[in-house]
Amino acid sequence: KQEVTQIPAALSVPEGENLVLNCSFTDSAIYNLQWFRQDPGKGLTSLLLIQSSQREQTSGRLNASLDKSSGRSTLYIAASQPGDSATYLCAVRPLGQGGSEKLVFGKGTKLTVNP
Amino acid sequence: DAGVIQSPRHEVTEMGQEVTLRCKPISGHNSLFWYRQTMMRGLELLIYFNNNVPIDDSGMPEDRFSAKMPNASFSTLKIQPSEPRDSAVYFCASSYYVGGRGNQPQHFGDGTRLSIL
Repeated sequence: KQEVTQIPAALSVPEGENLVLNCSFTDSAIYNLQWFRQDPGKGLTSLLLIQSSQREQTSGRLNASLDKSSGRSTLYIAASQPGDSATYLCAVRPLGQGGSEKLVFGKGTKLTVNP
Repeated sequence: DAGVIQSPRHEVTEMGQEVTLRCKPISGHNSLFWYRQTMMRGLELLIYFNNNVPIDDSGMPEDRFSAKMPNASFSTLKIQPSEPRDSAVYFCASSYYVGGRGNQPQHFGDGTRLSIL
């Protein structure tokens, strides 16, 4: 059974710092991995999607990497800003589900960027 | 473009009552997902539909939960009878599924915060 873990559960950094959020998964048989952002009282917003054949994806100050063989992904945020404060979740879409779109989520890392 | 629309945003009701949550997916999307989020268990998929047909309902906790998608623009999640342990935030999401290894992100609504007293 696929399990996704995100450590740490919470992280507090000063504004301007570069930071890395970690995600690990137990089964490397995946279609893709996604990073989401969740603001308080809101739904999830998709940030980056990395296909299983890719190593990384970039969007603005965000860069996500994928090492499928070791079951790890990182989300790098450059020059953090207070507006980046949110909970970041990663999710994998496992293979072997008959093409199912089911995602398995980690519990997230709550990021606080202090001015 | 309108995103995924869920109603109500908040629901407080007494144990034993029937609860109905509603979702309107993004126009043109052909997959719809119902999730439940709690502090203890995180985000869990309850059920998802493709082209209005339930594909995976393995996450539906028990017979008290049921979901329908009568057409491409509307879905409901019903709990009857409700229990305090059903208190959670329920999210609906939609995507455009292109088949096989198609990789399309899921778009989430803002959720329904459900409290069962």
